[in-house]
Amino acid sequence: KNEVEQSPQNLTAQEGEFITINCSYSVGISALHWLQQHPGGGIVSLFMLSSGKKKHGRLIATINIQEKHSSLHITASHPRDSAVYICALLTQGGSEKLVFGKGTKLTVNP
Amino acid sequence: NAGVTQTPKFRILKIGQSMTLQCTQDMNHNYMYWYRQDPGMGLKLIYYSVGAGITDKGEVPNGYNVSRSTTEDFPLRLELAAPSQTSVYFCASRSGTGKVSPLHFGNGTRLTVT
Repeated sequence: KNEVEQSPQNLTAQEGEFITINCSYSVGISALHWLQQHPGGGIVSLFMLSSGKKKHGRLIATINIQEKHSSLHITASHPRDSAVYICALLTQGGSEKLVFGKGTKLTVNP
Repeated sequence: NAGVTQTPKFRILKIGQSMTLQCTQDMNHNYMYWYRQDPGMGLKLIYYSVGAGITDKGEVPNGYNVSRSTTEDFPLRLELAAPSQTSVYFCASRSGTGKVSPLHFGNGTRLTVT
């Protein structure tokens, strides 16, 4: 069983729709990262969470430590949001070995 | 600041050849990482370093070597390239002050071994 599962694997939306991407995990964590990988390949860190909720522009990330679940929400989606969104876990115990999900490919159509 | 700079962007190697992927960061970060990304798979950690002179293996270290002689540079060496090493390689860094510090990625190196 994978330590981290993302859903859905692929998501197609119309411009303006509210998007939710989910990340579930089975291990104790120190922190969770949400990353964005553009079609050109570059990876950008969007959020780091250890509890609660964070907001940056149209992006909102939440985490529920008890339920071992995090969500990434995009409000008023736009075609430029089309990318692969990846969650990554920093597991407890001081290890630097981040565990990555396989990513959710989001396509937002105009 | 340039952030994390990787070179080259693309490379084609023949089986058995060697090469070094360069990674440098100008943010004075302690922690540096090398990942590989295969199609449809999550990023896998090859090697990481928590500071100059200190390196450790990740999940998939076989066939690779690293060194960290300075804070800025973390080169990845491929000896005797094999087709299984065809992948996209990413270097990343973070400050390491506290658990929750953001990752900064380079733009990647697309390597093909034929």
